Parts: sequence; structure tokens; C-alpha cells
Amino acid sequence: GIQVEQSPPDLILQEGANSTLRCNFSDSVNNLQWFHQNPWGQLINLFYIPSGTKQNGRLSATTVATERYSLLYISSSQTTDSGVYFCAVDGGATNKLIFGTGTLLAVQP
Amino acid sequence: EPEVTQTPSHQVTQMGQEVILRCVPISNHLYFYWYRQILGQKVEFLVSFYNNEISEKSEIFDDQFSVERPDGSNFTLKIRSTKLEDSAMYFCASNDDRMGYEQYFGPGTRLTVT
Repeated sequence: GIQVEQSPPDLILQEGANSTLRCNFSDSVNNLQWFHQNPWGQLINLFYIPSGTKQNGRLSATTVATERYSLLYISSSQTTDSGVYFCAVDGGATNKLIFGTGTLLAVQP
Repeated sequence: EPEVTQTPSHQVTQMGQEVILRCVPISNHLYFYWYRQILGQKVEFLVSFYNNEISEKSEIFDDQFSVERPDGSNFTLKIRSTKLEDSAMYFCASNDDRMGYEQYFGPGTRLTVT
């Protein structure tokens, strides 16, 4: 089945710094989503981005489908950005989402 | 903005008991899903449901699990005889088309089996 790898696994930032999270996937996909898991365990949908570039405030994402990767950019990070960021893709021939192992982000004041 | 809701937010049960987790998907959506996340691990697919039947299930979704859409709005996951290893966060999701469309996730139910 399709493989999803995220990097880095852990990231520590000072407040105000910028960061880039990466998601690599092993096959073509119809769906790619980025999530932020908050301290209460809720999955917050950040972007639906099977291709192209989107921006939402301090966050933006780019997916290069032909090269099978996606990037999530966080600018001017805040302590509330802390948590786990997951990338998830569908399986190509199926609509179930396959999640990566996540990037644990800690933003220090 | 429409959202997926789940109840309860947290459930504690004893090993061997039956539990039913409830979800109300977004009203015009056609596909429904359950996912599970054991503490500290990634989110895993359990089952997808379309047109009143299971369309796909994972190896995790064994005979102890069942899903049902008992009416036009609710979507439930039943675990017949809970085990300690069923302790996890369970997420319901829905989307409005078959392939490649955004899935909307509920806030999750944290199940603790003692």
C-alpha cells in the first residue's frame, strides 16, 4: 500500500521563527490533507491540498503531486502552534486516508 | 459552517463491556468513516461506509466491531466486548463524494477501557 513519511519527527522552535514540515508519499493520490492535533487530541483540518499552493494566515502549504511531496510552512510561529502535525493521503484506488507518523512541534516563548 | 459531531467526548468502560460511539456526519455527505488513534501513535483507518453498507474495512476491524446508520443522521461504531487494547481516541469523518474529496473529522471520543 501507499507509504507516507513525514519529516522531521520532532521540531523545537523559538516563538517568531519559521518552519517547514515535509510529507512524502509513495504513489499518486487524489486527496492530501494536513491536520494539527491540539493538546485535547482534536484533529484540526488545516488544508485540503492534493495539488498546488494554498495559504491561510501564517500557514501555507504546497503539494507537488508529480514529485509526490507536500510542504507545510508555518511563519512567525506562536506557542499555540505547538502540537502534532499530520499529513494524510488517500490510497489512490480507495478513499480511506492513510496518515503519516506526524511531526511533533514545540514552540517555546 | 457544518461540522461533524461525536458523543460522548470521553467514555470509560470496563473490559468486556459493550460500547457504542456516536457520530452525526455533515447532513449532505455520503461517505462515513471511523478512524482510531492509540495514544502516542498515528491515526489508523478502521472502516468506511457508503449506501448503508461497509465499503472497506481494515484488519483492525474484526468481528468485535460493527457500524450502523440507524436513522438519517446518526452513524455509530459498536465494540461488542471491549479489551484493554481498544483504549484509544476514535474519530468519525465524512465526505460528500467518492474519491479524493476532503474528509471532515469530528472532535473524537476518547475511550478508556479499564
